[in-house]
Amino acid sequence: QKEVEQDPGPLSVPEGAIVSLNCTYSNSAFQYFMWYRQYSRKGPELLMYTYSSGNKEDGRFTAQVDKSSKYISLFIRDSQPSDSATYLCAMNGGYKLSFGAGTTVTVRA
Amino acid sequence: NAGVTQTPKFQVLKTGQSMTLQCAQDMNHNSMYWYRQDPGMGLRLIYYSASEGTTDKGEVPNGYNVSRLNKREFSLRLESAAPSQTSVYFCASMGTEFSGANVLTFGAGSRLTVL
Repeated sequence: QKEVEQDPGPLSVPEGAIVSLNCTYSNSAFQYFMWYRQYSRKGPELLMYTYSSGNKEDGRFTAQVDKSSKYISLFIRDSQPSDSATYLCAMNGGYKLSFGAGTTVTVRA
Repeated sequence: NAGVTQTPKFQVLKTGQSMTLQCAQDMNHNSMYWYRQDPGMGLRLIYYSASEGTTDKGEVPNGYNVSRLNKREFSLRLESAAPSQTSVYFCASMGTEFSGANVLTFGAGSRLTVL
């Protein structure tokens, strides 16, 4: 079993829809939970991160962590075609990050 | 701000050939990493260097060697390339945010095809 599980999708939504992405994990030692965005043929870039359980909002993006369920989510409100990318969850408790496989999202204009 | 720079961006090799992927960061980070990314497999850690002078194996180290040349540079070498090493390779360095989170900054990637 992988340490981090993420549904690879793909996910296709119309512009303006809410995009919901999630990951589950098995290592209860993870403390920081991150979301990276990767555009086609580019390197991943950090979108946002949260520490421990709770919510964090950054503009149209909201990250949620439920450590009791070992489940994290990313919501994108009012999605735009520019949000079309692969979203990777990642988590760590030290010097190494564990990544999900990534979910490919397409927002249709 | 260059961040993490990888060279080359593209490379085609024949089976058995050798090559080195170069990586440099200008953020004064201590830790550097090499990942490979394959469809459906996500990012898999090949090797990492927690600090200058140290290197450690990751999840998929077989067929690769690394050198931490100095604090800025971390190279990945394929001694005898195999078709299974066809992939996109990413170098990254790790910095610590004010909050204490260790986050990775990635390079643009190197696409390697082994025929």
